[in-house]
Amino acid sequence: QVQLVQSGAEVKKPGASVKVSCEASGYTFTSSYMHWVRQAPGQGLEWMGIINPSGGRTNYAQKFQGRVTMTSDTSTNTVYMELSSLTSEDTAVYYCARVGSSGKYNWFDPWGQGTLVTVSS
Amino acid sequence: EIVLTQSPGTLSLSPGERATLSCRASQSVGSSYLAWYQQKPGQAPRLLIHSTSSRATDIPDRFSGSGSGTDFTLTISRLEPEDFAVYYCQQYGSSPWTFGQGTKVEIK
Repeated sequence: QVQLVQSGAEVKKPGASVKVSCEASGYTFTSSYMHWVRQAPGQGLEWMGIINPSGGRTNYAQKFQGRVTMTSDTSTNTVYMELSSLTSEDTAVYYCARVGSSGKYNWFDPWGQGTLVTVSS
Repeated sequence: EIVLTQSPGTLSLSPGERATLSCRASQSVGSSYLAWYQQKPGQAPRLLIHSTSSRATDIPDRFSGSGSGTDFTLTISRLEPEDFAVYYCQQYGSSPWTFGQGTKVEIK
């Protein structure tokens, strides 16, 4: 079955960067777009961006432009999300989520288990 | 950007009761590109409904979705104990992809 497994929790200092990975299995990696979504403690879901693992083309939410980089590695079926210049406002659980059908304008299914990133001095 | 507004914020009901959750969009959601997700504490969101009314794999038929244009509804016909959770609507027809702020269904 389709599975997304993310890297473990991170603790970072303000100003640092974090890189979260999401390893996919159970389908042809390059056939589906992948999104990143974050959720601050007690808050809702916030879309960050999308990557096409086939070719690496990205589309980022305006809020994160210049601070986020999404990449893919087809040799390991893994997508990455790197966020720089971290502040306490970036403390959140970060999720990867596969587009559930062909094309990029489709629902998210499944989701990774989430990676908690804590930013604290 | 399409803004999604969910109501109510919290729904207090008893097991066996019917739950009706609303999601209103700031502009028309093209071609019914609307989904609903369920999230329980400490878990990732899970897809329930896509394309406004299509149940995802293994989702029981007590969950149903309806609507069009700017007004959408998720109905849970008879609440089971495992249905108490937070529910989010999402539009995926245009970038940026957006979510509603969520409706919490709690035990009364």
